[in-house]
Amino acid sequence: GENVEQHPSTLSVQEGDSAVIKCTYSDSASNYFPWYKQELGKGPQLIIDIRSNVGEKKDQRIAVTLNKTAKHFSLHITETQPEDSAVYFCAARKTSYDKVIFGPGTSLSVIP
Amino acid sequence: NAGVTQTPKFQVLKTGQSMTLQCAQDMNHNSMYWYRQDPGMGLRLIYYSASEGTTDKGEVPNGYNVSRLNKREFSLRLESAAPSQTSVYFCASSDEGIYRGYTFGSGTRLTVV
Repeated sequence: GENVEQHPSTLSVQEGDSAVIKCTYSDSASNYFPWYKQELGKGPQLIIDIRSNVGEKKDQRIAVTLNKTAKHFSLHITETQPEDSAVYFCAARKTSYDKVIFGPGTSLSVIP
Repeated sequence: NAGVTQTPKFQVLKTGQSMTLQCAQDMNHNSMYWYRQDPGMGLRLIYYSASEGTTDKGEVPNGYNVSRLNKREFSLRLESAAPSQTSVYFCASSDEGIYRGYTFGSGTRLTVV
């Protein structure tokens, strides 16, 4: 079955710097890649997603990139702010009828 | 928009006690899921229900049972709680046939002493 790996497991950046979280997936049939942000004491929340027919997607300060050939996808956060501090999960899904497979998570700390 | 509602938010149980975690969604989603989250372990799927009347095991089902009461509600039962079941439990729902992520509830923090 699908396996999603995520790096790094922890990441600290200075406020205003950029943060990058990288994920790899094993099943080449996966074609939907959501990213979730989990703030302390809350449930994960979808922040951005990308389909396999798109190489990059942006939403204000966050962007996702996808390399289908290498089976890599990444989350980029620019101009980080303290409120970006959270655990981020990448995920992969083959079809809209399959379960979402989550990566192990990255704990991001933005230092003021 | 309530989304996914979980009750209770916090619970302390003694070893051997039983309890049911409740989950309800108001988005008319077909699929519902129960996850547990432990430090350093990410999200692990306990059980899921692809539609009303069906349930299937996830990767860590031992010690749990579920009931898909109707399309809105999906409950998780611990028949005889053990300290190893101390965790944060999340319910989620999704709409199949559409490429959307899951919508999660805010979680139940369970401690078994």
